[in-house]
Amino acid sequence: AQRVTQPEKLLSVFKGAPVELKCNYSYSGSPELFWYVQYSRQRLQLLLRHISRESIKGFTADLNKGETSFHLKKPFAQEEDSAMYYCALLTGANNLFFGTGTRLTVIP
Amino acid sequence: EAGVVQSPRYKIIEKKQPVAFWCNPISGHNTLYWYRQNLGQGPELLIRYENEEAVDDSQLPKDRFSAERLKGVDSTLKIQPAELGDSAVYLCASSLHGGGNTEAFFGQGTRLTVV
Repeated sequence: AQRVTQPEKLLSVFKGAPVELKCNYSYSGSPELFWYVQYSRQRLQLLLRHISRESIKGFTADLNKGETSFHLKKPFAQEEDSAMYYCALLTGANNLFFGTGTRLTVIP
Repeated sequence: EAGVVQSPRYKIIEKKQPVAFWCNPISGHNTLYWYRQNLGQGPELLIRYENEEAVDDSQLPKDRFSAERLKGVDSTLKIQPAELGDSAVYLCASSLHGGGNTEAFFGQGTRLTVV
């Protein structure tokens, strides 16, 4: 069975500080990993996916198959980064599973 | 484009009453998901459709929950009868799988309160 684990429910950092949101997964196949974000009063939306290997809004995430991790990182947090972040895993059968989420608060 | 549209946005019902949620996915999207999100939790997958076929409903509590996607477009999720523990946000998402497209687009959700 698949599982997505986000160990931190809450994370607070100061503006300009680095931020890392942790995500670990378990899946017997070859997964596709995503980070979704939900800003206040907005719908859940895609932030980035591992296959794109791109930086979105300064965020990056590298899939580490050895550690089964997909941590989200940004070197300098901004106030507008405050939101709920969800790590998600897409199985080969196209089922999309989410972690429990991490609420990031960037302190001015 | 409006994106994924869900209605109603909010619903308050008494326990044991039926309730239905409606979802209109993005035009052309073949995959449709229904999720339930309890307070402080991540979205929990209930059912996935590929066109009009429910290809995975293993997480759907079938004693009281049902869903349909007639003609492979709009979908409805029904609870009958509702219980207090069903209070949650119900999310619909759609996706166009193929050609490397795997992004899921979400609706605003329906917040259900059972009293």
